[in-house]
Amino acid sequence: KNEVEQSPQNLTAQEGEFITINCSYSVGISALHWLQQHPGGGIVSLFMLSSGKKKHGRLIATINIQEKHSSLHITASHPRDSAVYICAVGSNYKLTFGKGTLLTVNP
Amino acid sequence: GAVVSQHPSRVICKSGTSVKIECRSLDFQATTMFWYRQFPKKSLMLMATSNEGSKATYEQGVEKDKFLINHASLTLSTLTVTSAHPEDSSFYICSASGRAWETQYFGPGTRLLVL
Repeated sequence: KNEVEQSPQNLTAQEGEFITINCSYSVGISALHWLQQHPGGGIVSLFMLSSGKKKHGRLIATINIQEKHSSLHITASHPRDSAVYICAVGSNYKLTFGKGTLLTVNP
Repeated sequence: GAVVSQHPSRVICKSGTSVKIECRSLDFQATTMFWYRQFPKKSLMLMATSNEGSKATYEQGVEKDKFLINHASLTLSTLTVTSAHPEDSSFYICSASGRAWETQYFGPGTRLLVL
């Protein structure tokens, strides 16, 4: 069974700050997802990656397969970035989810 | 990305009744649909995986006779919670994928409250 650990569990930042959320997992995977969940519950897929780095706007996701670790970065954070960010890893045709990181960005 | 819808978005029902939740892929053919459940402040947990035209594969601990899944077409899967009880109150989310199962598009979720 794959264990997925995220850190920190909670993160409060001031608008404009650079944010990093970390994810570690225990066994080999085929892909890693970063998801965003807003208070209403709906989930948006931000990235799916299996190697290297991806960038979309102010969001950057990196993964190190050897170290079984991924990071999600948000540059120039904004209050609208406030949400729960979830790391999910895929193996054996299943996704295993982390508990999420609650990000609050204050104006 | 692709669009997946769920209906209803919120449902309140009495204990002992059955509730059906629909998951639709609006702009692509979903070979596989996944049903997840999320309790407050907990991780999403996979309940079952369904492939179009096949019986669903349930995760350990999920009662297949209680959570009936039907995936009759490439755009629609339904989850029926039979004889719902208060402990079934949760947030149910579906996702849909095409041939590459890792690429999953999530629905907006259905919040179920059983009184």
